[in-house]
Amino acid sequence: GAGVSQSPSNKVTEKGKDVELRCDPISGHTALYWYRQSLGQGLEFLIYFQGNSAPDKSGLPSDRFSAERTGGSVSTLTIQRTQQEDSAVYLCASSLTRYQPQHFGDGTRLSIL
Amino acid sequence: AQSVTQPDIHITVSEGASLELRCNYSYGATPYLFWYVQSPGQGLQLLLKYFSGDTLVQGIKGFEAEFKRSQSSFNLRKPSVHWSDAAEYFCAVVHAGGTSYGKLTFGQGTILTVHP
Repeated sequence: GAGVSQSPSNKVTEKGKDVELRCDPISGHTALYWYRQSLGQGLEFLIYFQGNSAPDKSGLPSDRFSAERTGGSVSTLTIQRTQQEDSAVYLCASSLTRYQPQHFGDGTRLSIL
Repeated sequence: AQSVTQPDIHITVSEGASLELRCNYSYGATPYLFWYVQSPGQGLQLLLKYFSGDTLVQGIKGFEAEFKRSQSSFNLRKPSVHWSDAAEYFCAVVHAGGTSYGKLTFGQGTILTVHP
């Protein structure tokens, strides 16, 4: 069956540009999570969606980061005015409900030049 | 705040040898615990989970883990390692309740190298 799909798999952009990262969760999964994986910081939680609402945005590192989810399905993570420290792998995960095991996509590797 | 410690950054074993990866957590109540594996360029794959009940849990690929409340540990084991087990392994904990919403807190990861 289809797993969590993320696009693009790789993104290279110049400092100061905006980027959008997309996540297609497993069908029927109501909970969706974004994480960031970087060499210095390891795996960090960014934001949690339940349906279309985001009750926990506590992990977003600055107001340059935002995310939305529509139709209880696809989610987009947007980073405005990218900085070099934003370079990382951005992972999306979904689960049937919160507290259930999370299924991860292969991530988007973001490189800021 | 909850935290997870994986004391070993890198472990090397020979193929066919036994394996134990250590994980310690800091948390007040009974945690939900997970082990994930990540191969290069891939996402995280769930190996096994502990929610409650039997403290010895079986997972995929022949892995098992034991929850020891007295030691705040959840170590991952495999009796005989295969070359294909070479990857990075992450222990993770979920705060069950409050406003955690099920978000995972990860350890730093342990890189496993397997020698032929």
